[in-house]
Amino acid sequence: QVQLVQSGAEVKKPGASVKVSCKASGYTFTSYYMHWVRQAPGQGLEWMGIINPSGGSTSYAQKLQGRVTMTRDTSTSTVYMELSSLRSEDTAVYYCARGRSGGSAPDYWGQGTLVTVSS
Amino acid sequence: DIQMTQSPSSLSASVGDRVTITCRASQGISNYLAWFQQKPGKAPKSLIYAASSLQSGVPSKFSGSGSGTDFTLTISSLQPEDFATYYCQQYNSYPPTFGGGTEVEIK
Repeated sequence: QVQLVQSGAEVKKPGASVKVSCKASGYTFTSYYMHWVRQAPGQGLEWMGIINPSGGSTSYAQKLQGRVTMTRDTSTSTVYMELSSLRSEDTAVYYCARGRSGGSAPDYWGQGTLVTVSS
Repeated sequence: DIQMTQSPSSLSASVGDRVTITCRASQGISNYLAWFQQKPGKAPKSLIYAASSLQSGVPSKFSGSGSGTDFTLTISSLQPEDFATYYCQQYNSYPPTFGGGTEVEIK
């Protein structure tokens, strides 16, 4: 069965960086894209970007350009999302979510990773 | 960016009720519309893609319709496990954007 298992909660200081991992299993890793979506406390869902694990190409939300980097490791079927220059507004639960293609909606979601930015 | 507007933002319903949630796009998105269910403290769950196609394993009490700018999600007979927040998302053009959510509460 498809599983997306994310890394554990993080607490970071403003200005620091965080790197969240998402390990995929139960399907061919390079045949599906991976979205990243975040949710601030009590708020809705915000799309952050997408990576194609096959070639590593990415597309990011404009508001995060320059601060977000998505990478993948095909040897371990893991995608990573790194967010730099953290600010309090980045406190959120971060989700990875599989997509059939670059133009498709997510079908399976990871369990989420809480990132807290606090001095 | 395409704006997605859901209505209502919340509703109260009883077990057995038929519930309809509306999602409107600020411009035409063909049928590139998905619906997700989220329970408190949990990850979203994918329900519907391409406006009306059920994801694998999703019960047939959920149905979606619409094309262009106006879409609906219907739950035919609300059950206790259906009380949650529902989100729509357009994926016709980048960036994909979500509606603000509809919280379905127990009356």
